[in-house]
Amino acid sequence: GAGVSQSPRYKVAKRGQDVALRCDPISGHVSLFWYQQALGQGPEFLTYFQNEAQLDKSGLPSDRFFAERPEGSVSTLKIQRTQQEDSAVYLCASSLAGTSGTDTQYFGPGTRLTVL
Amino acid sequence: AQKVTQAQTEISVVEKEDVTLDCVYETRDTTYYLFWYKQPPSGELVFLIRRNSFDEQNEISGRYSWNFQKSTSSFNFTITASQVVDSAVYFCALANTGNQFYFGTGTSLTVIP
Repeated sequence: GAGVSQSPRYKVAKRGQDVALRCDPISGHVSLFWYQQALGQGPEFLTYFQNEAQLDKSGLPSDRFFAERPEGSVSTLKIQRTQQEDSAVYLCASSLAGTSGTDTQYFGPGTRLTVL
Repeated sequence: AQKVTQAQTEISVVEKEDVTLDCVYETRDTTYYLFWYKQPPSGELVFLIRRNSFDEQNEISGRYSWNFQKSTSSFNFTITASQVVDSAVYFCALANTGNQFYFGTGTSLTVIP
């Protein structure tokens, strides 16, 4: 598979649990993005990495959300003490170079998180 | 501020009809990029097209065509002779030279056989 992959595809968590969502970008892609998509809405930006550096985390809704990309490839989005409002689809995207405005972002299938 | 408006929430057409999905954007940047993505029921956003702000030439790709008009800040998408497989949610997005994409709320297209 040459595309962006995400795991798990579905995650059910009890309120208060911690969850970790994984993203494998397209090989060789420098930039990686996380988005949150609520039901019936468009994706909303969460955070952005260029290689291992997190250059923008302005979209993270609270300090319960944390993302990392330690080796500049695979990324993990962690949500601590999940709340019901965290229920959404979490999309990962990658692009070839370092500036999203010039490069197309290619998206993974998403992880659907349901917090009970 | 960057904003994308897709006023059509849901559209239904009968197979073989033509359909146009509207997209209006707002930006103060002179350099920006516009995108259309398709999101089928499987959930994955599929890239369709990218245009930059300096290229207003319309584009046709098979049954798909795009009309970019800076004068009206619009980037509309037309599907000719629609097919059932075109049923999906379509998103228009705007990006500047920064690192964020701004998506519209999407238009859900249903093609009825």
